[in-house]
Formats: sequence, C-alpha cells, structure tokens
Amino acid sequence: DAGVTQSPTHLIKTRGQQVTLRCSPKSGHDTVSWYQQALGQGPQFIFQYYEEEERQRGNFPDRFSGHQFPNYSSELNVNALLLGDSALYLCASSLKVTAGGSGYTFGSGTRLTVV
Amino acid sequence: GNSVTQMEGPVTLSEEAFLTINCTYTATGYPSLFWYVQYPGEGLQLLLKATKADDKGSNKGFEATYRKETTSFHLEKGSVQVSDSAVYFCALSDTGNQFYFGTGTSLTVIP
Repeated sequence: DAGVTQSPTHLIKTRGQQVTLRCSPKSGHDTVSWYQQALGQGPQFIFQYYEEEERQRGNFPDRFSGHQFPNYSSELNVNALLLGDSALYLCASSLKVTAGGSGYTFGSGTRLTVV
Repeated sequence: GNSVTQMEGPVTLSEEAFLTINCTYTATGYPSLFWYVQYPGEGLQLLLKATKADDKGSNKGFEATYRKETTSFHLEKGSVQVSDSAVYFCALSDTGNQFYFGTGTSLTVIP
C-alpha cells in the first residue's frame, strides 16, 4: 500500500518564477494538507484541501495557492518566488472523518531551493 | 492561540543513556498531543500520541504523558540506541485539521 507520494523530490528555481509541487495521498485518504518546513524549523501549516476546496489556511500570502483533483491528489503552486520560500514542502493526507489528527500520513517532501 | 515550545538542541547522548526532551504547549481548547520523528532525508513519522489529560502515549520504548496541569508532554526513553538518532518534533492538533509543531530537537546517539 503506497503512502503519500510527492514530486519532484528536489528542484531549483529562480526568484520571481512560479513552481508547482504535486502530492498523491495515501490510498483511502480524501484530505490533503500542505506544510512548509524551513531549515532548522518545525513545519508550518499552509492549507488543507477536502472535496476539492480549500477548507483551512495558515498564515501564508496569496502567492501560495493549491488545488485538489477528483482523485484526491493535490498541487501546491507558489508564484513570484522569494529566496525565503526555500524550504522542504511536506504533504500530509488523512481521512476527513478521522478525529484528532492521529490519522495523518506525511510524505517525504519536496526540497525547493530558490536562487 | 496554539503553540508548542520544545527543548533546544542538539542533544548528544551515549548509547543506553536516558533521554528526556521537554515540550510545553499553549492551547485554547483541549488538543491532542503528538511526537513525530524525522530521519535524514525523510518525512515525518508519528512516534506516539495522547488525546486527553493523563493519557500516556508509548511506542518503541518512547513514552510521553499528557500533563494538563503543567501543559507539558515530555518525551522519554530509558535506553537510547544509535538508530534513535533523528530530529524529534512535538506537536498539537486541536481540531484535527491543523498541526502546530515545535522547532524540533536533534538527537545524536554515539556508540
């Protein structure tokens, strides 16, 4: 049973460019959350998608947007990249009905470097 | 608001030593508490959890007790192994929709 799959694993972008990161949730999961983990820091919540809609959002600017597809997979888009966007981006999937956060599965992340 | 504060690292221990990583939290409601572990180049793995006051989570020799009176969830292990070397994150979730993580504590165990 595949867990959460993220692609690509690494990428390098230039300031001002746009980037799209992809996530396939664990089989049976219907909810996808995205987190940003800066070097030496804990993950910070970006947003969560369920039923193809953004349900909750953390303290991130509108440059960060997302999408969820009918097959529950998700994309994270970041526009007008800044050097400070360099981080590990983690995708986590879960089943909406699961209470208390204990059913989350995290992917291995996409390492984004902005130069 | 919700936040988690955990012990600064890095922590270096000899094999078979006792481990404690301190974690305290601030929450507006009645959160669930978690410890996650991150090995180099990997994502987060759930180590243990507790969903209400006085619950003890345990896994692979690690333990943590949800202490509402001290708003703490300290991680302990009686005898660490080299394979325990990783970064440990304390986290809370109030609704299940969002995690609040601490900054992480790096543990290195030397033979």
